[in-house]
Amino acid sequence: DAGVTQSPTHLIKTRGQQVTLRCSPKSGHDTVSWYQQALGQGPQFIFQYYEEEERQRGNFPDRFSGHQFPNYSSELNVNALLLGDSALYLCASSPSGLEYNEQFFGPGTRLTVL
Amino acid sequence: GQNIDQPTEMTATEGAIVQINCTYQTSGFNGLFWYQQHAGEAPTFLSYNVLDGLEEKGRFSSFLSRSKGYSYLLLKELQMKDSASYLCAVMDSNYQLIWGAGTKLIIKP
Repeated sequence: DAGVTQSPTHLIKTRGQQVTLRCSPKSGHDTVSWYQQALGQGPQFIFQYYEEEERQRGNFPDRFSGHQFPNYSSELNVNALLLGDSALYLCASSPSGLEYNEQFFGPGTRLTVL
Repeated sequence: GQNIDQPTEMTATEGAIVQINCTYQTSGFNGLFWYQQHAGEAPTFLSYNVLDGLEEKGRFSSFLSRSKGYSYLLLKELQMKDSASYLCAVMDSNYQLIWGAGTKLIIKP
């Protein structure tokens, strides 16, 4: 049973560019959450997708957008990249329902913005 | 605002016991999680508390006091592989996870 997978593993972009990160949830999970984790910090919630719609959103600008596909996989798009967007981007999946469900994390995508 | 506080770094000796504290102030409470994160890796789930008291799972235990906004993670019989960051996270009234910055635990032989 494959866990949560993310691609690419590492990515280097320059300021102003756009980036797309991808996530496939754990089998049986239909809810995907995205987090940004700066070095030495805890994860910061970006948004959560369920049934192909953004269900919740954290305190991130509109430059951060996402999508969920019918197979529950998801993409995170970041436009007009800033140096401060350099971080580890984590995808986590869980079964449906807003209440407690353990989130399973993917290995993350390390984004470096030069 | 919402806030999760935990110590930045702790050091302990192999075979010993260590307690990592977490205090929180959040908009509502729907449970507290502890995750372990090794350097360069994804967080992995350790425990979940929603009611007051102690939850024990092998060498790891987690305690919650909702009235005090306080939790701790207790690690017993420390092993070198326990060297990692330990993240405290609270699920708020909107069922969003609010994370602490993590406690880096260093285990010495």
